[in-house]
Amino acid sequence: DGGITQSPKYLFRKEGQNVTLSCEQNLNHDAMYWYRQDPGQGLRLIYYSQIVNDFQKGDIAEGYSVSREKKESFPLTVTSAQKNPTAFYLCASSTTGEYGYTFGSGTRLTVV
Amino acid sequence: EDQVTQSPEALRLQEGESSSLNCSYTVSGLRGLFWYRQDPGKGPEFLFTLYSAGEEKEKERLKATLTKKESFLHITAPKPEDSATYLCAGRASNDYKLSFGAGTTVTVRA
Repeated sequence: DGGITQSPKYLFRKEGQNVTLSCEQNLNHDAMYWYRQDPGQGLRLIYYSQIVNDFQKGDIAEGYSVSREKKESFPLTVTSAQKNPTAFYLCASSTTGEYGYTFGSGTRLTVV
Repeated sequence: EDQVTQSPEALRLQEGESSSLNCSYTVSGLRGLFWYRQDPGKGPEFLFTLYSAGEEKEKERLKATLTKKESFLHITAPKPEDSATYLCAGRASNDYKLSFGAGTTVTVRA
């Protein structure tokens, strides 16, 4: 079955620590996205990539970094510069045509 | 700047009590209005895409409609399993990204 896999499902970060969230898709989609979801707020775009080795900042990129070395993979690193990282992180992918996203199941990140 | 606004924030319904959710949008050259369903702790699940004013799509007890400024998600005779957060998103003509509303959380009581 084709889909998007996010791991881990739960992640705990200590102050000053960098953590990396994994996102892998086998849908052969060109575009991939990272969103952050906080209670009572809409999904906010962190980074997106339309092609391998290229990515663009979204609306809230500060404190985050990404890479796109393979079409299937788009990992997100939450750095120590992100002061309020506790949130639900969603990865998505899409074709570059007239279609919406397919989402992963999310990673819940908590600062301890 | 593209904006999508959903109302109400929360909706509590009795089983069988039909209602509608609203999604207002200002998206440059709208190239798709999307509805998703999200269960707690899970990723959003695709429901519908609407492309032009007057278009309607149905799936079981859900029907989505589109005008030039709004979209509605009608829930007919809801059941408890329809309880979820419903997200609306718009895509601009010159972009692949979606702009999301904050969602409407629907609770259906038996």
